[in-house]
Amino acid sequence: QVTLRESGPALVKPTQTLTLTCTFSGFSLSTSGMCVSWIRQPPGKALEWLALIDWDDDKYYSTSLKTRLTISKDTSKNQVVLTMTNMDPVDTATYYCARTYRAGGVIVDYWGQGTLVTVSS
Amino acid sequence: QLVLTQSPSASASLGASVKLTCTLSSGHSSYAIAWHQQQPEKGPRYLMKLNSDGSHSKGDGIPDRFSGSSSGAERYLTISSLQSEDEADYYCQTWGTGIGVFGGGTKLTVL
Repeated sequence: QVTLRESGPALVKPTQTLTLTCTFSGFSLSTSGMCVSWIRQPPGKALEWLALIDWDDDKYYSTSLKTRLTISKDTSKNQVVLTMTNMDPVDTATYYCARTYRAGGVIVDYWGQGTLVTVSS
Repeated sequence: QLVLTQSPSASASLGASVKLTCTLSSGHSSYAIAWHQQQPEKGPRYLMKLNSDGSHSKGDGIPDRFSGSSSGAERYLTISSLQSEDEADYYCQTWGTGIGVFGGGTKLTVL
């Protein structure tokens, strides 16, 4: 059974750095084709893909946010960490981690429950 | 640049069928996509992967009422025998050159 769970602060101040951790089970990020994505959703808005890390430790970032994002993994702990610098109120959103696989496309197939992050002073 | 286009809204009656569309931008008609459902106040749920030839593989526990098909650059999600719990936002998703892409979502209302 595949599960993913996001953890991190619910409230951050403007200009601070956000660190989110995704802890997963039911799959290994060392298996060929396996990846984990971070995706966010501002209140009332659409999903926005942020970053992906794959089994080979290759990393991909949203073009508009790449200067602020860092994704990393700890395969032994089954964790993926996303950091986002210089947080702003417009970054208020629910942040999801999701299992993603690469096979005839790159497909998100399992989602975490999400964690709401509010950016406010 | 790869873009996925979805109609903002759709509606259909309880017990009827509805077909939602996701259109791939020019030059990307061979791409596979995924469909995801997001019920009100819940996180998204994976429905299926849909290939350019119309073959699809569904996620765990997805009812037979949900099916997918393709034609050119269009990817379809058909929901038959609509139930009240099908009222949700539906997103398509794929992968461009080193970047993930989501459509803007279609809000489905069940009348």
